[in-house]
Amino acid sequence: EAQVTQNPRYLITVTGKKLTVTCSQNMNHEYMSWYRQDPGLGLRQIYYSMNVEVTDKGDVPEGYKVSRKEKRNFPLILESPSPNQTSLYFCASSFAAAPVGGANVLTFGAGSRLTVL
Amino acid sequence: QQQVKQSPQSLIVQKGGISIINCAYENTAFDYFPWYQQFPGKGPALLIAIRPDVSEKKEGRFTISFNKSAKQFSLHIMDSQPGDSATYFCAASSYNNDMRFGAGTRLTVKP
Repeated sequence: EAQVTQNPRYLITVTGKKLTVTCSQNMNHEYMSWYRQDPGLGLRQIYYSMNVEVTDKGDVPEGYKVSRKEKRNFPLILESPSPNQTSLYFCASSFAAAPVGGANVLTFGAGSRLTVL
Repeated sequence: QQQVKQSPQSLIVQKGGISIINCAYENTAFDYFPWYQQFPGKGPALLIAIRPDVSEKKEGRFTISFNKSAKQFSLHIMDSQPGDSATYFCAASSYNNDMRFGAGTRLTVKP
């Protein structure tokens, strides 16, 4: 089954304790992205990657790191989490370009709910 | 600052009614405008999308209307059903497929 898999789905941690949220896709997609979802703010992009070893900042990158060493994996790293990073996180992937005349569908994972105390 | 502005934040519609959600954008480089639907506990999923070379796209009860000169687009849900109750996000992307989302609209369809 074509999918984006995120882990963990739920995590409660404390301020300053480094954590990594993993994201893996099995669709051979070039493009991968991380979003955070907060009430009233919608989906805000944290980082994205157009391909292996190519990453760029989104709208809210502060406090986060990413890496793209393999095409299928795009982990999100919080080096020193703070309470304002409590949120619902989504990883998503797609092909880098839409097929001719078609739509380029962004496929989302099920989400990771993170609470930082 | 959000690159795609969406309204209303929440919407309550009676079963059988029409739901309308509006979005506006500033970046003229955007050339792909999808709508995503999200049910509680799930990730967003593509509902319908449009490119700026057409003014309207219809798929079943869902229609996107697009006004390129006004830089606005909207989602119309005809004959709204309780099963349509979800959060809807408009989005926009440009040539590099970098997607930007609106703030979302929580739709409730009352039976």
